[in-house]
Amino acid sequence: KQEVTQIPAALSVPEGENLVLNCSFTDSAIYNLQWFRQDPGKGLTSLLLIQSSQREQTSGRLNASLDKSSGRSTLYIAASQPGDSATYLCAVGGYGGSQGNLIFGKGTKLSVKP
Amino acid sequence: EAGVTQSPTHLIKTRGQQATLRCSPISGHTSVYWYQQALGLGLQFLLWYDEGEERNRGNFPPRFSGRQFPNYSSELNVNALELEDSALYLCASSPPGVLAQHFGDGTRLSIL
Repeated sequence: KQEVTQIPAALSVPEGENLVLNCSFTDSAIYNLQWFRQDPGKGLTSLLLIQSSQREQTSGRLNASLDKSSGRSTLYIAASQPGDSATYLCAVGGYGGSQGNLIFGKGTKLSVKP
Repeated sequence: EAGVTQSPTHLIKTRGQQATLRCSPISGHTSVYWYQQALGLGLQFLLWYDEGEERNRGNFPPRFSGRQFPNYSSELNVNALELEDSALYLCASSPPGVLAQHFGDGTRLSIL
């Protein structure tokens, strides 16, 4: 059974700092991995999608990497801003009967202080 | 381009009642997914519909059901509501090919 873990559960940093959020998964047979952000009381905003054959994806100040063999992904945020404050969720998609079923971690709550 | 839209935003019911939640996917998306986000439990997969068919189902009792219409919109029905059904219900959609899922803002269901 696939399990997704995100460490740390919460992180507070000063504005301008570069930071890394970690995600680990127990079964390396994943179809893809997606990073989301969730603002309080809101839905999820898709940030980056990495297919199983890819190693990383970049969008603006965000860079996500994937190492399937070690069951890890990282989300790198450069030059953090107060507007980046949110909960960041990692989710993995599987093959076959698990297709369509994203397995989520419990998230990292990020606070960026001005 | 309009995103995934869900209605209603909030829904208040009492135990034993039935609730219907609605979702309209992004134009061109054929798959709709439903997730439950209960306090302290994280996001859990409920159902996946693609081209009008149920493709996958999470570990939820049969009183959670749904359907997908010819225009790809979807309904989630929850019968015999229980207190623990109180949660944020999120709908997502994706284009053909099981690609990135895009989420709506959810329906907050409160059971009194």
